[in-house]
Amino acid sequence: QQQVKQSPQSLIVQKGGISIINCAYENTAFDYFPWYQQFPGKGPALLIAIRPDVSEKKEGRFTISFNKSAKQFSLHIMDSQPGDSATYFCAAHGSSNTGKLIFGQGTTLQVKP
Amino acid sequence: DTAVSQTPKYLVTQMGNDKSIKCEQNLGHDTMYWYKQDSKKFLKIMFSYNNKELIINETVPNRFSPKSPDKAHLNLHINSLELGDSAVYFCASSRWGGRTEAFFGQGTRLTVV
Repeated sequence: QQQVKQSPQSLIVQKGGISIINCAYENTAFDYFPWYQQFPGKGPALLIAIRPDVSEKKEGRFTISFNKSAKQFSLHIMDSQPGDSATYFCAAHGSSNTGKLIFGQGTTLQVKP
Repeated sequence: DTAVSQTPKYLVTQMGNDKSIKCEQNLGHDTMYWYKQDSKKFLKIMFSYNNKELIINETVPNRFSPKSPDKAHLNLHINSLELGDSAVYFCASSRWGGRTEAFFGQGTRLTVV
């Protein structure tokens, strides 16, 4: 119940294309769903986040779509650029206020020029 | 000015040794964390401190002992290092409450030989 399942494990997209990464969870007590971006040799950095009372959130080329009934959420990267090549993690936060994040397994995105 | 800084960035040591990793944040956050990233890039929380008090201990072996001398610092001491401890360890911080951005350090790559 404490898992977040992420797919695909790796993704190759042409420049200008749309990258889509999917996540699913079981625990309905999760109340915050961030996406983190990690470049090689760096720590993860927050990209965009959503709360379960919202179905979609958009920031620039990045959009989270959230389906509460299906317990799924996804990250869409529009007009993907080579600079977007990184590892992306979805995560979920429980309702305990502790700040504990449960991460998905990660998706390595490569955007080809 | 680095928000969350960890030292050292790289640590190579022999089995059985004891080592420490230091972390400092200058964001004024009251909650700090240690996460472990394994060779498959999976991120898992180890510990969390709020105002110097331990609030999360994710069944980590007793050989791992975190210490928080003040709100801005969280150190990790590891006794009797084992080969399986090889990983990247990330320190992070956030405001209390959880549904907020966690800022990660650049990581410490620990290699046990």
